[in-house]
Amino acid sequence: QKEVEQDPGPLSVPEGAIVSLNCTYSNSAFQYFMWYRQYSRKGPELLMYTYSSGNKEDGRFTAQVDKSSKYISLFIRDSQPSDSATYLCAMSLSYGGSQGNLIFGKGTKLSVKP
Amino acid sequence: NAGVTQTPKFQVLKTGQSMTLQCAQDMNHEYMSWYRQDPGMGLRLIHYSVGAGITDQGEVPNGYNVSRSTTEDFPLRLLSAAPSQTSVYFCASSYRAAGGRFREAFFGQGTRLTVV
Repeated sequence: QKEVEQDPGPLSVPEGAIVSLNCTYSNSAFQYFMWYRQYSRKGPELLMYTYSSGNKEDGRFTAQVDKSSKYISLFIRDSQPSDSATYLCAMSLSYGGSQGNLIFGKGTKLSVKP
Repeated sequence: NAGVTQTPKFQVLKTGQSMTLQCAQDMNHEYMSWYRQDPGMGLRLIHYSVGAGITDQGEVPNGYNVSRSTTEDFPLRLLSAAPSQTSVYFCASSYRAAGGRFREAFFGQGTRLTVV
């Protein structure tokens, strides 16, 4: 079993829909949980991060971590065509040294149709 | 402020050739890393460095060498290119976070490498 599992999609939704993206993981020691957005032929860019459990909201984006279930989610409200991208979840054990190395999911490709 | 700069953007190599992928950052970040991204495999860590003069292996280091002589530069060398090294390569950098603060990784735009 891979450390981080993410449904690759593709996921297609109409503009204005609420999008739910998810990852599961196997290592209960992960502490930092991130979501990166990657546009086609570009490098990933950090969208949201959460430390340990709980929710974090930033505009239309909400990140949730459920450590008991080893499950993280990213919700996008009022989705826009500009949200069309691949969304990568990532996690790390800590923030320093080798334990800060990121373990990525395979990414979910999202398409928001006008 | 250019961030993380990778060169070249595209490269085609013949099997057995060697080359160096360049990565430079102007943010004075201590931590730098190289990933490869393959369809269906996600981003996988090749090598990383926690500071000048210090490097270590990641998940998929075979066939690649790195060195870190300065804070700014972290080149990735392919010793003898193989078709299995056809991929998109990303360099990333991040700062040392004090007091448990999260350390964001900034990525370059990638190098698309094809080995024929």
